[in-house]
Amino acid sequence: NAGVTQTPKFQVLKTGQSMTLQCAQDMNHNSMYWYRQDPGMGLRLIYYSASEGTTDKGEVPNGYNVSRLNKREFSLRLESAAPSQTSVYFCASSPGQGSSLDTEAFFGQGTRLTVV
Amino acid sequence: AQSVTQLDSHVSVSEGTPVLLRCNYSSSYSPSLFWYVQHPNKGLQLLLKYTSAATLVKGINGFEAEFKKSETSFHLTKPSAHMSDAAEYFCVVSDRSDYKLSFGAGTTVTVRA
Repeated sequence: NAGVTQTPKFQVLKTGQSMTLQCAQDMNHNSMYWYRQDPGMGLRLIYYSASEGTTDKGEVPNGYNVSRLNKREFSLRLESAAPSQTSVYFCASSPGQGSSLDTEAFFGQGTRLTVV
Repeated sequence: AQSVTQLDSHVSVSEGTPVLLRCNYSSSYSPSLFWYVQHPNKGLQLLLKYTSAATLVKGINGFEAEFKKSETSFHLTKPSAHMSDAAEYFCVVSDRSDYKLSFGAGTTVTVRA
């Protein structure tokens, strides 16, 4: 039972380069999330997908795009990386809309991204 | 929309003494509340959750939390700290307004021998 799988685990980019972070879940969850974690700031929501085919901006969407490819997969793209995007990125999923809230979110192991 | 405030950014305790991590929330709907723990360079693990059943919730590793609607609080406690409790702890709220998860800024716990 894999849960939430993120790739890659580590990445170093040069300023201006692009990349896509991949996330897949095997729990048939409706909702998926992308967060970034920075020291002293907790986890901040970048983008959110309530269900397949829908995406919404979170607190810090600038510089990112997302694609909910299907129910399982939710990718995060950096079109032109900047040093301010150096962070640890977490993907998560939860049952979400149409289901009880009585179940927690499950998180991937994180992607440590450095932009130089 | 919902939000969470963790009242302490750092908590330091001696091994064997009680731990208290404070969390206040704001929500327009009946919220679900969670505490997650993150050990260094690891992912997030659920400690416990409140979902409108019992207001005193017991979680893993001896942790528990009490939901107090009148105080909009969900404080996390453990009677006796262990060295392995050294980690960062996040209080999280979700409600039916948008089903998003909102995180507090986190509380770092250090345990002194």
